[in-house]
Amino acid sequence: SQKIEQNSEALNIQEGKTATLTCNYTNYSPAYLQWYRQDPGRGPVFLLLIRENEKEKRKERLKVTFDTTLKQSLFHITASQPADSATYLCALGTNYGQNFVFGPGTRLSVLP
Amino acid sequence: EAGVAQSPRYKIIEKRQSVAFWCNPISGHATLYWYQQILGQGPKLLIQFQNNGVVDDSQLPKDRFSAERLKGVDSTLKIQPAKLEDSAVYLCASSLIIGGRAGELFFGEGSRLTVL
Repeated sequence: SQKIEQNSEALNIQEGKTATLTCNYTNYSPAYLQWYRQDPGRGPVFLLLIRENEKEKRKERLKVTFDTTLKQSLFHITASQPADSATYLCALGTNYGQNFVFGPGTRLSVLP
Repeated sequence: EAGVAQSPRYKIIEKRQSVAFWCNPISGHATLYWYQQILGQGPKLLIQFQNNGVVDDSQLPKDRFSAERLKGVDSTLKIQPAKLEDSAVYLCASSLIIGGRAGELFFGEGSRLTVL
C-alpha cells in the first residue's frame, strides 16, 4: 500500500543546531517533492520544491535532498532559531505532478 | 496580491446538520483544491478542480460531501449530513499549472469545523 512517513511526530533541538527532518515514501513515484511549514491555526506555507532529477536544493538556511533510490527526502534547517518552531510537511507531487499527497508532518521545537 | 480567502473560519454544528464552506482562490489560478486536515495529521485531498472541471474526487465521500466551482473561480464545499468524524480543518488551496504540472500550493487559513 502507499505510505508517506515523516520522522517522529515531534523533534526538539537546541537553538543554533541543525534540524534534520525526514520524509520516506512507499509505492509512490513522485515527479517532485515539496516542503511546507504550518503554524498552529494557519494554512501550510510553501518552502521548497525539488524535482526527481535534482539531488539537492538550497534556500537561505534551508536545504532539501531527494533520493529516489532510497525513496527519501531530507529537510535541513541550519542555525535553527526558536522562530523556526512549527510543523513541517512534505508533499509528493503525483499523477504527473497534477496533485499532491501530504505526509503527517513533524512538529519541530527549537529551544532557546 | 490577495491570498486565498476562506469563510467561515470557525463553525460548530450538531451531527446530521449541514454546513457549507466557501473559497476564493488567488486570481488567475486555474487549479483549486479542497483538503481535509484532522488534528495531528497531514492534509488529505478531497477534490481538485481545473477551472470548473473536476480532476480528482476519488477521496471525496460523495454520499455526504459535495463541491462545486461554478464559473471556474469561487468554490463551495458542502457537507450534508455531518458526522462526528467530519470534525477537522477544511483547507482550500490554489495553484498555477506550469509545464503541465502544478506549482506551489497557496493555502487559505482554513475553516475549522466542530461536529457535536
